[in-house]
Amino acid sequence: AQSVSQHNHHVILSEAASLELGCNYSYGGTVNLFWYVQYPGQHLQLLLKYFSGDPLVKGIKGFEAEFIKSKFSFNLRKPSVQWSDTAEYFCAVNYLISSGSARQLTFGSGTQLTVLP
Amino acid sequence: SQTIHQWPATLVQPVGSPLSLECTVEGTSNPNLYWYRQAAGRGLQLLFYSVGIGQISSEVPQNLSASRPQDRQFILSSKKLLLSDSGFYLCAWSVYGTSGDLREQYFGPGTRLTVT
Repeated sequence: AQSVSQHNHHVILSEAASLELGCNYSYGGTVNLFWYVQYPGQHLQLLLKYFSGDPLVKGIKGFEAEFIKSKFSFNLRKPSVQWSDTAEYFCAVNYLISSGSARQLTFGSGTQLTVLP
Repeated sequence: SQTIHQWPATLVQPVGSPLSLECTVEGTSNPNLYWYRQAAGRGLQLLFYSVGIGQISSEVPQNLSASRPQDRQFILSSKKLLLSDSGFYLCAWSVYGTSGDLREQYFGPGTRLTVT
């Protein structure tokens, strides 16, 4: 079965620090890639997504992610975090292997980010 | 715009009791609908998805079942709850590209289920 790995389970940063959250997936073919965020008490919402083209994608709230096909990675970055970025972050992959897998997202286990004021 | 409703928001049920969680979608027709369970530290686990009325695909064998009686209604059920059914249940729907690939998934507010 295809998988998504987020190796950082809990990250604690001070405000203004730089952020990088890792995401690795397990298939060398075509994929669509996503980062979702869940703020405390709120719905899961989309931060950014990658389908094709420029491997550096920009999302909302100053987040960006870089797709590196050779490393099967889609890491999330932000140059300077704020206290309001405290949330849980999920990487998700749409594996275009079959019509069945193309209809699904496979999620990583999530990374809890805590930003200290 | 599209909206997903889920109810109830929270539920406490004893072991062995039945379960019915409801999800409805507004603002779209013939959506692909999904049920996920979110457990702490384990991300989102896909339970069921549906491409149309009466069409359900199960991803994980378990104590739960799903039904889609109407185009924009998706129900998660159990005849007898287990302690291990506790968790946060999310309903979602997806937008697809012309090639059938998933382009975005929208989530509802979720239901927190505690089985005692």
